[in-house]
Amino acid sequence: AQSVTQLDSQVPVFEEAPVELRCNYSSSVSVYLFWYVQYPNQGLQLLLKYLSGSTLVKGINGFEAEFNKSQTSFHLRKPSVHISDTAEYFCAVISNSGNTPLVFGKGTRLSVIA
Amino acid sequence: GAVVSQHPSWVICKSGTSVKIECRSLDFQATTMFWYRQFPKQSLMLMATSNEGSKATYEQGVEKDKFLINHASLTLSTLTVTSAHPEDSSFYICSARRGSLHFGNGTRLTVT
Repeated sequence: AQSVTQLDSQVPVFEEAPVELRCNYSSSVSVYLFWYVQYPNQGLQLLLKYLSGSTLVKGINGFEAEFNKSQTSFHLRKPSVHISDTAEYFCAVISNSGNTPLVFGKGTRLSVIA
Repeated sequence: GAVVSQHPSWVICKSGTSVKIECRSLDFQATTMFWYRQFPKQSLMLMATSNEGSKATYEQGVEKDKFLINHASLTLSTLTVTSAHPEDSSFYICSARRGSLHFGNGTRLTVT
């Protein structure tokens, strides 16, 4: 089974400042990793995903994440945030084989302050 | 790309009534679909795994008689919340896997 830990439940940051949202995972098998964003009263939007290959993954809206197998981490970063980035961010993991569900972290609320 | 459609996007119902939520895979066949629930300010929790042509597999703590899941075809799974109560008010979201996982846009259920 897989599990995900998002270390920060809330992250306030000033506009145009950089941000890192932390995510660590646990799994006995190889996995795929995802970051989703959820705006208020909306569904999930995929930001980026790591399936294989380069450990640095670039996603939408200027976000990127780096897969670190030795540290079992998949931290999300953005060099300069905007007010519109205020949302809930979920890290998720899934086994790379079989028909298994996605396991989500508890989420990190990013609040961008003007 | 693969698309998962969920309907309705929101529904308000009276306590004691039943509500059906549909999840369709639009351009691929999904032998397995997953149903998640998200309470306000919380993460998404897996409720059940819906298997085409067989019974759903429910996670611990999820009442199978209250949350009826039917996966009658390779492109449609339905979740029926029976005898809904205010505590069932939540955001329900389905997903299907084709390589990666694809999500519907979710259904916001409010039980008054």
